[in-house]
Amino acid sequence: NAGVTQTPKFRVLKTGQSMTLLCAQDMNHEYMYWYRQDPGMGLRLIHYSVGEGTTAKGEVPDGYNVSRLKKQNFLLGLESAAPSQTSVYFCASSRFGQGQETQYFGPGTRLLVL
Amino acid sequence: DQQVKQNSPSLSVQEGRISILNCDYTNSMFDYFLWYKKYPAEGPTFLISISSIKDKNEDGRFTVFLNKSAKHLSLHIVPSQPGDSAVYFCAASVWAGGGNKLTFGTGTQLKVEL
Repeated sequence: NAGVTQTPKFRVLKTGQSMTLLCAQDMNHEYMYWYRQDPGMGLRLIHYSVGEGTTAKGEVPDGYNVSRLKKQNFLLGLESAAPSQTSVYFCASSRFGQGQETQYFGPGTRLLVL
Repeated sequence: DQQVKQNSPSLSVQEGRISILNCDYTNSMFDYFLWYKKYPAEGPTFLISISSIKDKNEDGRFTVFLNKSAKHLSLHIVPSQPGDSAVYFCAASVWAGGGNKLTFGTGTQLKVEL
């Protein structure tokens, strides 16, 4: 039982390049989330999904797209990377969406955009 | 506008003593509060939570106190151990019709010294 895994662990991009971050969970969770963490700031929600085939915007969605084609996977895409997207990205999942449901986080992807 | 605030970026405590981490919030609609712990190069892990209808929740060495009138919560760790050295994030949740949307504070780096 691996929990939540993220691929890749680290990536360097040039401005304008595109990439996809992959999140996978093996806990059969319905809800999945993408956050970014920047120095001096808490984790901020980018996009989330309440189930296979559904996605919704979070607090900071601009410049990102997501897809949830399979229940266990949640992909985060950057179509044209910008230096402002340099950050650590965390994926999380939870069984359901209620407040008391624990979110389980992956180890993070460190992205540097030059 | 930071709805969840952790005003102490760092805290240093001696092993065996009590660690008290504080968190303030502004949104009175938050109905669930959580503490997550994060080690370097890892994702946050859930530590303890409290519903807004309670004022205290205890789990082993960890106790969370909630003061709704002051919009303040605190995490007490007794006794503190070196393995508790990590960044602690306070988070708050409000049910917004879809998804457990957590609002995180900026974190407090706890260092437990021998």
